[in-house]
Amino acid sequence: DQQVKQNSPSLSVQEGRISILNCDYTNSMFDYFLWYKKYPAEGPTFLISISSIKDKNEDGRFTVFLNKSAKHLSLHIVPSQPGDSAVYFCALAKGGTSYGKLTFGQGTILTVHP
Amino acid sequence: SQTIHQWPATLVQPVGSPLSLECTVEGTSNPNLYWYRQAAGRGLQLLFYSVGIGQISSEVPQNLSASRPQDRQFILSSKKLLLSDSGFYLCAWRGWTHKETQYFGPGTRLLVL
Repeated sequence: DQQVKQNSPSLSVQEGRISILNCDYTNSMFDYFLWYKKYPAEGPTFLISISSIKDKNEDGRFTVFLNKSAKHLSLHIVPSQPGDSAVYFCALAKGGTSYGKLTFGQGTILTVHP
Repeated sequence: SQTIHQWPATLVQPVGSPLSLECTVEGTSNPNLYWYRQAAGRGLQLLFYSVGIGQISSEVPQNLSASRPQDRQFILSSKKLLLSDSGFYLCAWRGWTHKETQYFGPGTRLLVL
């Protein structure tokens, strides 16, 4: 039972263009949503997050959008840079007594070409 | 500032051998701690989490166990490794500023032969 899905295993984008990474979930109990970036052989690095009371959050080149009715989360990177090439994971958390446990998607490999 | 350490960085072990991976956190007290595994080409799977010393919760049945002997120390162990235990093991702690955010260590790559 996959509660969180990143349906695109990979994405290739030209430098300077927009990268859009998508994440779909099935359980409406999730109320906090995060994006992580991961380079090979390193731990994931936290990028940006959004709570369920918002539908958009921006941090520099990164914007996260949440569509609760569609149970859909997306990350926009504008403009994309070659250093953004990495695996991107969405991660979702349930509030209450879930002890902060995160459920991760399978990841999307982003390649930004110069 | 907070820092999380994991060691070793890489480990090659024969099938049937024991395992001990260590994770320590600096700069915070009473963190929630987590062990994840990333198998080849897969996402991150939560294995164990701990909300305090001696308190361990297991998320999936497996050949592994975890212990938390000190507030900022989290250990992942196995008595006898299986081939399927190969993967990239990540330790994480939960932040307090954004309390749903977890911060990850550098990871340990385990290859069981």
